[in-house]
Amino acid sequence: DVKVTQSSRYLVKRTGEKVFLECVQDMDHENMFWYRQDPGLGLRLIYFSYDVKMKEKGDIPEGYSVSREKKERFSLILESASTNQTSMYLCASSSPGVALPYEQYFGPGTRLTVT
Amino acid sequence: GQQVMQIPQYQHVQEGEDFTTYCNSSTTLSNIQWYKQRPGGHPVFLIQLVKSGEVKKQKRLTFQFGEAKKNSSLHITATQTTDVGTYFCAGRDSGYSTLTFGKGTMLLVSP
Repeated sequence: DVKVTQSSRYLVKRTGEKVFLECVQDMDHENMFWYRQDPGLGLRLIYFSYDVKMKEKGDIPEGYSVSREKKERFSLILESASTNQTSMYLCASSSPGVALPYEQYFGPGTRLTVT
Repeated sequence: GQQVMQIPQYQHVQEGEDFTTYCNSSTTLSNIQWYKQRPGGHPVFLIQLVKSGEVKKQKRLTFQFGEAKKNSSLHITATQTTDVGTYFCAGRDSGYSTLTFGKGTMLLVSP
């Protein structure tokens, strides 16, 4: 059974704190993604990675960074959390697919509140 | 950049009624995927469409990909309360790009 896990379901942080969101997948997938989901805005891609130590900016990378030191783990970092980063964060992974992309498997999400 | 628009944003139906959500892209897509997110859950993959004019069925769900590969639809026949959730389309405009998600259609089904 495929699985994507995220370190926390709920997280409350203060403005200015450094925040780490961890994602681990057990499917040996090359591709990993970080999205944020906000009401009325759908899923927006923050960063993605096609391989270890590789990262690419998505549509809304400002205020975020990522780290992928191991194939199974993809971390999202908020260097200095701000209230406008309060959101649901979803991690996803997929097999590599260029001409025909594979489905994305999502984790349960982390609801982050920045006060 | 690529934009994927999805309508309606929200629909409330009585159990047994049909439901359709539409997805339109600003660019020609190489393929489109559909996901369902139950309340409190995470998106789960439903299907992928690749060919122009393609139609696929999963029980009461019918998925279509337009001839021009710029639009798609999901139709549910005779909705059930288990169909409640938000349905997202996600399109890819080239072989090396990522998926762009629509904003989703939230479906509520009353018994």
